[in-house]
This record gives sequence, C-alpha cells and structure tokens, in this order.
Amino acid sequence: QKEVEQDPGPLSVPEGAIVSLNCTYSNSAFQYFMWYRQYSRKGPELLMYTYSSGNKEDGRFTAQVDKSSKYISLFIRDSQPSDSATYLCAMSGTGTYKYIFGTGTRLKVLA
Amino acid sequence: DTAVSQTPKYLVTQMGNDKSIKCEQNLGHDTMYWYKQDSKKFLKIMFSYNNKELIINETVPNRFSPKSPDKAHLNLHINSLELGDSAVYFCASRRRDRGGEQTQYFGPGTRLLVL
Repeated sequence: QKEVEQDPGPLSVPEGAIVSLNCTYSNSAFQYFMWYRQYSRKGPELLMYTYSSGNKEDGRFTAQVDKSSKYISLFIRDSQPSDSATYLCAMSGTGTYKYIFGTGTRLKVLA
Repeated sequence: DTAVSQTPKYLVTQMGNDKSIKCEQNLGHDTMYWYKQDSKKFLKIMFSYNNKELIINETVPNRFSPKSPDKAHLNLHINSLELGDSAVYFCASRRRDRGGEQTQYFGPGTRLLVL
C-alpha cells in the first residue's frame, strides 16, 4: 500500500461545477498538507497549505484535512477551463525534510 | 524574477553519455531538492540538501551525484545515462518560517530524453 493514495482520473466536469479532489494517507505522523497544481509541461505550483486538521479557504479553493480519517480534500468552486491541470497532494511530518506526493489527479473543465 | 530556475530546460542525449542539470534559487531558502517525475506524473524524491549538507538520499543509482556548492545552488550530474533515466527532473527549494510552515517551491523542470 502506498503512503499516499490519489485517484489519477481523468476527472471531467462542466464549467461552473464544484470539483472535489481527494487523497488518503496511512502515516498518522503527517502534519503538513499541501496541494499543488501542475499545468502541462510546467513545474508544480503551490495552491494551498494546511497544518494539521481543519479547513482553509483561498478564493475559489478550499482545502480540508481530516486527520482522524487520514483524508484530505481540495474543493474548487465555479470551476473554469483554466483550472484544467493535474492536482497533486503532498504531505510531510514534523522534523522531517521529506515530502510524500500523491500520483496526481488530472482535471479537465469543459467550456 | 524567477524564484527557482533550472538549466537546461530540455536535454536530448545518447545512452552512455554524462550530463549535468543545474538549479538555482533566489528565495534565500536553506533546503533544496531533486525530484524525478515519470510519464505518469508521479513525483519521486531523489536528494535533498540543507545548508550544503546532504540530508536525503533515496534509493537512487550511484550514477546520479548531486552537488551543492552553496545554499542557492544544487546541481545534478548523471553518469552513463540509460533509457530509463528519461523523465522530467524538478528542482525545488523549501521555505520554513518561524511558525513552522514548510512549503516547497518548484522549478520549471528539465526534460531529459535518452536515446
């Protein structure tokens, strides 16, 4: 079993839809949770960062962490064609320099 | 100004050759990384340096040798290139502020194709 599981997709949604992207993990020591967006032929770009449990909102993006279920989510409201990209979750624990990434979910928002 | 830069962006070479990729960050971060991303987009950590000291060395063939001349630079040298080395290589640097937040910033990637 991988430390971080993420559905690779592709996930196709119509423009304006609410998108839900998820990752599950097995290591209870993870405390730092990140979502990255990666456009084709570009480097990953940090979207959201969350420490421990809870929600964080930034514009159309909301990140949720449920440590009891070892489950994190990224919600995108009013999705746009420009949101079409691969979304990667990443996690890290306290006192470590190592990050574990999910395999990425490819999202397509159709105009 | 570009925060994390890599050169070259594209590298096409023959099997058996030796090549280097360079990375520079102007963010003032202490920690830098090399990742390999395969065709399925999976990002796998290879190495990490903190203040020029090697702190992470994953199960990478010893044909791969990182070098950090200073905090702002991390280079990757690959000897005797093999077909399986074809991938996109990303450099990243890590910010860690006093509040403990730690996030990584990635470069644009180097696309390596071994023929």
